[in-house]
Formats: sequence, structure tokens, C-alpha cells
Amino acid sequence: EAGVTQFPSHSVIEKGQTVTLRCDPISGHDNLYWYRRVMGKEIKFLLHFVKESKQDESGMPNNRFLAERTGGTYSTLKVQPAELEDSGVYFCASQGGWNTGELFFGEGSRLTVL
Amino acid sequence: KQEVTQIPAALSVPEGENLVLNCSFTDSAIYNLQWFRQDPGKGLTSLLLIQSSQREQTSGRLNASLDKSSGRSTLYIAASQPGDSATYLCAVSFRPYKYIFGTGTRLKVLA
Repeated sequence: EAGVTQFPSHSVIEKGQTVTLRCDPISGHDNLYWYRRVMGKEIKFLLHFVKESKQDESGMPNNRFLAERTGGTYSTLKVQPAELEDSGVYFCASQGGWNTGELFFGEGSRLTVL
Repeated sequence: KQEVTQIPAALSVPEGENLVLNCSFTDSAIYNLQWFRQDPGKGLTSLLLIQSSQREQTSGRLNASLDKSSGRSTLYIAASQPGDSATYLCAVSFRPYKYIFGTGTRLKVLA
């Protein structure tokens, strides 16, 4: 069974540019999460999808970040325009259901904004 | 404010030692607690999940315990090996679906 896959693994862009990160969850997992780790800090929650619906986006830093999950399958996280402080590793995780609880993470997408 | 703290931040031990990693959290009303391992430049690998009704979980040389009343979980690693070297992360869900992570313990097991 394929795990959670993320693309790209590393992206280097200049301030002001746009980047789109993609996550493919484990097949059949309705719950999809985005997390972020910036340098030296703990991993922090960004948002949570159940199927195609956003359940909780309280962790999104500001309106430069837009997440979508069309059709309830893969998800994208767009940063537009990117700022220096957006640099970090963006992790995607999927989960089958709340009573199973276990999160499965992807390898992460490292974003460097110059 | 709900927080998760991990102590120590870093640990270096000789191969073969049994060791304990600690995770503390500020609110006893949790749903789940999950321990992860992260290798450099890699994603998070789930090690053990403890649901709120459970007291411990075991997998191979790993044992995780949960004491909600004291706001603590410990990860016990028996007979440590160099391959155990990684960062160990504790994540607690205080609400369904939303996990808060600790900053992790960087473990180095010396051959």
C-alpha cells in the first residue's frame, strides 16, 4: 500500500513568487492534514480536511496560504506571494478516521524562500 | 494554553542501554497520544499510538505509557542500537483530529 506522498521534495523560490505543494494521502483516508515546521521550532498544525471540506484552518498563518482538496483526494497548498518567513518543511498527513487516530506522514516538502 | 513538552532535548547513550524519553502535556483531557520517529531529512514514522482509554502500548523494543492524570507519557527503548538514532516526537490530540507536537528529543546511540 502506498504511503502519503508529497511533491516537490524541495522548492527554492524568490520572495514574491508562488509555490504550490501537493499531497496524495493514503487511498481511502478521508482526513488530511497540513503541518509546518520552521527552523528550530516544533511542528505546527495548519489545517484539516475531511474529504473535500475544510474542518479546521485555524493554523493557517495568513491569507497568502490557500489549501484545496478537490474531490476529496489529493490536496494542494499554495503560497502566494511567498515571504522569507514561509521557509520551512511542510508536512502532509492522512488518517483513516478519528477512532483509529493514527496519523501517517509524508516525507515533507522543504520550501526555501530567498 | 495546551502545550506539549519533551525532555531531554538531546540524549547521547552507548549502545545497549535502556532509555526513557519523556513527554508532558498541560491538559489531561486528551484523545490520543502518538510517538513518532524522524530521521534527518525524512518524514515522520509512526511508532506507537495510545488512545485515551489505554495505559500503554508495546511494539518490539518500544513501550509507551500514558498517565493522563499527571499529564505524562514515556517512551521506553530497550537495548538501544545505533539504528535507533533519530529525533523522537510526541504528539497529543486535545481535540479530535488536531495534534500538538512537542519539540522532540534528539537521540544518538553510540556504537
